[in-house]
Amino acid sequence: KAGVTQTPRYLIKTRGQQVTLSCSPISGHRSVSWYQQTPGQGLQFLFEYFSETQRNKGNFPGRFSGRQFSNSRSEMNVSTLELGDSALYLCASSLLGGQGGTEAFFGQGTRLTVV
Amino acid sequence: KQEVTQIPAALSVPEGENLVLNCSFTDSAIYNLQWFRQDPGKGLTSLLLIQSSQREQTSGRLNASLDKSSGRSTLYIAASQPGDSATYLCAVRIGGGTSYGKLTFGQGTILTVHP
Repeated sequence: KAGVTQTPRYLIKTRGQQVTLSCSPISGHRSVSWYQQTPGQGLQFLFEYFSETQRNKGNFPGRFSGRQFSNSRSEMNVSTLELGDSALYLCASSLLGGQGGTEAFFGQGTRLTVV
Repeated sequence: KQEVTQIPAALSVPEGENLVLNCSFTDSAIYNLQWFRQDPGKGLTSLLLIQSSQREQTSGRLNASLDKSSGRSTLYIAASQPGDSATYLCAVRIGGGTSYGKLTFGQGTILTVHP
C-alpha cells in the first residue's frame, strides 16, 4: 500500500512569486491536513480538508490556501511568497480526520526555500 | 488552547540504555495521542497511537503510556541503538468541531544514541 506522496520534494522560489504543493493521500483516506515546520515555531497546523471541504484552518494569513479534489488529492498554494515562508511543508493523511481516533500518516514533505 | 511540552529537549545516551521521553499536554479532552519519529530533513514516521481510552501501546522495543487525567504520556525505548537517533515528537488530537484534522505537536526531543 503506497504511503503519502508529496511533490515536489524541493522548491526554490523568489519573493513575491506563488507556489503550489501537491499531496496524494493513502488510498481510501479522505482527510488531508497540511502543516508548516520551521526551526523556530515547530510544526504548525495550516488546514484540513475532508471530502473536498475545508473543515478547519489554522492561524495563517490568507496567502495560504488549499483545495482537495474528488480523488482526495490535495494542493496547497502560497501566494506572494515571503522569506519567512521558507519551511518544510508536511501533509498528513488519515481515514476520517477529526472523527474518532484515527491515525495520521505523513509524507516526506516539500522543502520550500524563498530567496 | 492545547499546549504540548516535551522533556527533555535533547538526550544523548550510550547504546544499550533504556530511556524515557516525556510529553505533557494541558487539555485532557483528547481523542488520541500519537508518537512520531523524524529523521533530519524527512517527514514524520508514526510510531505509536494511543486512543484516549487506552493506557498503553507497545511496538517492538517501544512502549508508550498515557495518563489522560494528569495530561502525561511517556515513550519508553528499550535497549537503544544508534539507529534510534532522531527527533521524537508527540502530538495530541482533540475533539471535533473546530479541531478537525488538527494535531497539536510538542517541540520534540532530539535523541542521540552513540556506539
